[in-house]
Amino acid sequence: GENVEQHPSTLSVQEGDSAVIKCTYSDSASNYFPWYKQELGKRPQLIIDIRSNVGEKKDQRIAVTLNKTAKHFSLHITETQPEDSAVYFCAALSLGQNFVFGPGTRLSVLP
Amino acid sequence: EAGVVQSPRYKIIEKKQPVAFWCNPISGHNTLYWYLQNLGQGPELLIRYENEEAVDDSQLPKDRFSAERLKGVDSTLKIQPAELGDSAVYLCASSLSWSASGEPSRTGELFFGEGSRLTVL
Repeated sequence: GENVEQHPSTLSVQEGDSAVIKCTYSDSASNYFPWYKQELGKRPQLIIDIRSNVGEKKDQRIAVTLNKTAKHFSLHITETQPEDSAVYFCAALSLGQNFVFGPGTRLSVLP
Repeated sequence: EAGVVQSPRYKIIEKKQPVAFWCNPISGHNTLYWYLQNLGQGPELLIRYENEEAVDDSQLPKDRFSAERLKGVDSTLKIQPAELGDSAVYLCASSLSWSASGEPSRTGELFFGEGSRLTVL
C-alpha cells in the first residue's frame, strides 16, 4: 500500500522568510496530493492541492510542486507570517483507494 | 453550506465504558471516513464508506470498534469497551467520489469535521 513520508518534522523560520516542506510517496498510481493545515485543537483544512497532470500550482503565498518521476511533492510558503504557524500534513490518494497522510510538520514562524 | 458536523466535541469516560461518536457529512458527499488522530501525528484511517457500504474497514479494531452509516448519510462510531489507549481525536471526513461527481478532476477534496476528543481514564 501507499506510504507517505514527510520532512522536516519541525520547522522554525523567521517572519518573512520562506518555508519548504517535502513529502515522498511510494505508490506510482497516486494522482492527487493535498496539503492540510491544522491549527491547535482545530480541524485539518485544505490549503492547496495538486493533481498528477500538473507540475506546479500556486495560490498567493502558497505553492505546491510535484515530481511524479521522483515521487515527491513539496509545499512552499513565502513571506511567512505568524498566522502560518500550525501543523501541516501532506497526503496522497489514488483512485479508488484511501488518503494516506504524512506524519506532519510543525511550523513555527518567529516574529 | 454547513460543513462536516461531529458530536460530541469532547468526551471523558472511565475505561471499559462504551462511547459513541456521531457524524453528519456535507450534503451530497457519498464518501465518509472515520480517522483516528493521536497527538502530534497524522490522521489514520479507521473506516471508509461509499454510501451505506463499508468499502475499507481493514484498520478498524473490530473486537471493540463498530461503525454504521444508515441510509448513506449520518454515521456513528462506537467503542465498547474503551481502553486507555483509545484516548485520541476521532475525525470524521467526507468527500465526493469520482463515481458521484462524474469528473475525475473532482475526486478527492476531503473535508474534515472538528473532531471528537476522547479521554479514557
